[in-house]
Amino acid sequence: GENVEQHPSTLSVQEGDSAVIKCTYSDSASNYFPWYKQELGKGPQLIIDIRSNVGEKKDQRIAVTLNKTAKHFSLHITETQPEDSAVYFCAALTGGFKTIFGAGTRLFVKA
Amino acid sequence: ETGVTQSPTHLIKTRGQQVTLRCSSQSGHNTVSWYQQALGQGPQFIFQYYREEENGRGNFPPRFSGLQFPNYSSELNVNALELDDSALYLCASSLDRTEEKLFFGSGTQLSVL
Repeated sequence: GENVEQHPSTLSVQEGDSAVIKCTYSDSASNYFPWYKQELGKGPQLIIDIRSNVGEKKDQRIAVTLNKTAKHFSLHITETQPEDSAVYFCAALTGGFKTIFGAGTRLFVKA
Repeated sequence: ETGVTQSPTHLIKTRGQQVTLRCSSQSGHNTVSWYQQALGQGPQFIFQYYREEENGRGNFPPRFSGLQFPNYSSELNVNALELDDSALYLCASSLDRTEEKLFFGSGTQLSVL
C-alpha cells in the first residue's frame, strides 16, 4: 500500500544551524508533497509544499527538494531559531484525495 | 489560525461505548477529512466527505462513520470503542476535493478506558 517514510525521528541542532529532514514515498502516481509543522496542543499547519513538476521550492528560510525518479523529497531549514522547535511531517497525496503522512520528526533548536 | 474548530477538546469514554466528535470547517470549504493520530505517530487518514457524501476511505472498520452538513459542520462517530481507539482525532477542511491544501483543527483527544 501507499507509504511515506521519514528520517530522522528526532533532530537536535544549535540555533543558527541548518536542519534537514528526508522522506521517501512509495506511490509513483503521487504528485503533491506538503510539509506540516505541529506544535504542542495544535493541529498540523502547512508550511510549504511542492508539486511533481518542480524540483525545488524556497520560502525564506525553508526550502524543499524533490527527486521524483528516486521518490525522495527533503525539507531544509536554514538559520534555525528556537521557535522552529516542533514536530514536522512530510506527506504525499495519493489516489487524488488521500494525504499520507510520515511518522514525524521532532526538531529541537537549542538556544 | 486555520478557522477550523473541533469539539470537545478532550473526552474520556469506556470500552464498548459510542462517541461523536464535531468539526466546523472554514467557511466556503466543501470538503472535510478526518485523521487519527496516535501518540508519537503521523496522522492516519480515516475518510473524506465532499458535499455531504463520503469521497474516500482509509483502512478503518465500518464502526468509524461520518456525516457532513450543509453548514460546513461535520461529525465523526465511532461505535463499540476499543482501547486502541485512544488517539487525537483531527479534522481538516479544504476548499474543494481537488484542492490539496489541508487546514487542520486542533483536534479532540479521546481516551478509552
